Amino acid sequence: AQSVTQLDSHVSVSEGTPVLLRCNYSSSYSPSLFWYVQHPNKGLQLLLKYTSAATLVKGINGFEAEFKKSETSFHLTKPSAHMSDAAEYFCVVSEVDLNPPGNTPLVFGKGTRLSVIA
Amino acid sequence: DTEVTQTPKHLVMGMTNKKSLKCEQHMGHRAMYWYKQKAKKPPELMFVYSYEKLSINESVPSRFSPECPNSSLLNLHLHALQPEDSALYLCASSQVLSQGYYNEQFFGPGTRLTVL
Repeated sequence: AQSVTQLDSHVSVSEGTPVLLRCNYSSSYSPSLFWYVQHPNKGLQLLLKYTSAATLVKGINGFEAEFKKSETSFHLTKPSAHMSDAAEYFCVVSEVDLNPPGNTPLVFGKGTRLSVIA
Repeated sequence: DTEVTQTPKHLVMGMTNKKSLKCEQHMGHRAMYWYKQKAKKPPELMFVYSYEKLSINESVPSRFSPECPNSSLLNLHLHALQPEDSALYLCASSQVLSQGYYNEQFFGPGTRLTVL
């Protein structure tokens, strides 16, 4: 069974400084990994996804994440934080199941709240 | 159109009311989902429809009744809810790549439900 651990419940950065949101996963088979962002009282927006192609994944709004199988990590980074990046970020995993064959439902991490200070 | 829409945005209902939440997408996705999200928590999967058939029901109480009348629409009928059912209800959709295999999910903005 798969699981996701987001290592920080809250991260605070100054505007213009780098962002690092940490995520570790556990998966029996080849995982698909996602980062979603949720602004207050809004739905979830897909930032980026990893599905066994390139290990460095570029997403929207300048975010990127690197899949490291040896460390079972999928950390989200951005070189320079903007005030509009303040939101809740979810690391999500799905994997290929064999019985029955198909993707497993998404498993969400508990979320990391990103605050950006002016 | 790359959007999932949900109506209403907000809903307040009493414990004896019957109401419905509506979700619509025009991306040609054949899988649609209902999630429940409590404050400061991640979304929890409730139901999955694939090709308009219910494929996953995560042991949701029968006071929640999903319906998928066609490939673009998903409804959630609510009856005799409890105050603890107050939450943000999110709809999502995704492509079906092949039997049981789904692409990434696109989420709607949600319906904020308050049960008095």
